[in-house]
Amino acid sequence: DAKTTQPDSMESTEGETVHLPCSHATISGNEYIYWYRQVPLQGPEYVTHGLQQNTTNSMAFLAIASDRKSSTLILPHVSLRDAAVYHCILRVQGGSAKLIFGEGTKLTVSS
Amino acid sequence: AQTIHQWPVAEIKAVGSPLSLGCTIKGKSSPNLYWYWQATGGTLQQLFYSITVGQVESVVQLNLSASRPKDDQFILSTEKLLLSHSGFYLCAWAQGALNTLYFGAGTRLSVL
Repeated sequence: DAKTTQPDSMESTEGETVHLPCSHATISGNEYIYWYRQVPLQGPEYVTHGLQQNTTNSMAFLAIASDRKSSTLILPHVSLRDAAVYHCILRVQGGSAKLIFGEGTKLTVSS
Repeated sequence: AQTIHQWPVAEIKAVGSPLSLGCTIKGKSSPNLYWYWQATGGTLQQLFYSITVGQVESVVQLNLSASRPKDDQFILSTEKLLLSHSGFYLCAWAQGALNTLYFGAGTRLSVL
């Protein structure tokens, strides 16, 4: 699995729209971009994923660069509940494919 | 709706004692199952995965073993705990072509 690079931390205020960047310059054509978030002493929560096209769901919007070497997770109108460590992970399909977590970006949300 | 249940929620065990952690998936047939471990302050590491009953693949050697006795059950165990086994153990399930993983609430293990 290729490596991703994320900022160590980001700060935001409630109600803001937050852009979390992820760089994956050596991504392979069959690798999906996954985003998970985790708060202390809880299991990671699936946020979204994409391959080439931008995707959106109730939690976030995932913008993927046309060359797929970077992506941005956009969280609209963040609340205190969105404070977590956000992980950007590359993964191929298949049951044996690993989901390799790094340090992620710690998002702090203030009121 | 599918649910994933891990037990126990937390354990305090002595070094050298045995351990058994469990994970049950309800509402899904033949899911892929995974065990992950996170040391305090560390990153999540995948330990085992299982595609079908009776078959378990080891990813990282930590003097632990895993078994899948039933389609909906995944067990993590060891006969002799080490201090280094302390941490947060997570079970996850996945299914389908994309095989997106969904995690349980985890078990906190303290080995003293």
